[in-house]
Amino acid sequence: GENVEQHPSTLSVQEGDSAVIKCTYSDSASNYFPWYKQELGKGPQLIIDIRSNVGEKKDQRIAVTLNKTAKHFSLHITETQPEDSAVYFCAASTGYGQNFVFGPGTRLSVLP
Amino acid sequence: GAVVSQHPSRVICKSGTSVKIECRSLDFQATTMFWYRQFPKQSLMLMATSNEGSKATYEQGVEKDKFLINHASLTLSTLTVTSAHPEDSSFYICSASGGQGTEAFFGQGTRLTVV
Repeated sequence: GENVEQHPSTLSVQEGDSAVIKCTYSDSASNYFPWYKQELGKGPQLIIDIRSNVGEKKDQRIAVTLNKTAKHFSLHITETQPEDSAVYFCAASTGYGQNFVFGPGTRLSVLP
Repeated sequence: GAVVSQHPSRVICKSGTSVKIECRSLDFQATTMFWYRQFPKQSLMLMATSNEGSKATYEQGVEKDKFLINHASLTLSTLTVTSAHPEDSSFYICSASGGQGTEAFFGQGTRLTVV
């Protein structure tokens, strides 16, 4: 089955700096890769996603890149703000909207 | 995005009792719902997948007689934790999808504490 790894497990950056979180997956059949932000005591919120036919996608300060050959994808957050502090999960799925396998999560702290 | 509402957000129950958690899709028809469990500082682990009108598919290691899932309508799925024990204490999260070609949306989660 699919296995998703995520690094780093914790990340601290200064406000205004960029943050990068990387994930790798094992199942070449996976074709949908969402990223979720989870704040304490709340459910995950989708922040950006990418499908396998696209190499990069950007939404304001957030971007995701995908390398299908290497089976890895990354989340890039620029101009970080304290409210970006949360746990971020990557996920992989073999079907858009179907079951996801989640990475172990990255706790991002943005220091003012 | 679409709204998925989960209720209750927090519940405390006595050991041996049963607890029901509801997951509702408020503005779309959810043909598929997923139930996840999350322990503190850990990732989400899929428990089961339910399709409207059919029996849920449970992941390996998840007791179907303990975690009863019902998906009787296109907007509601329920998870019942039967004969709850302290080790069942966890954060339970549902997500709902309109089917192939649509993304899944997550509920806000339910914190279950069994005392």
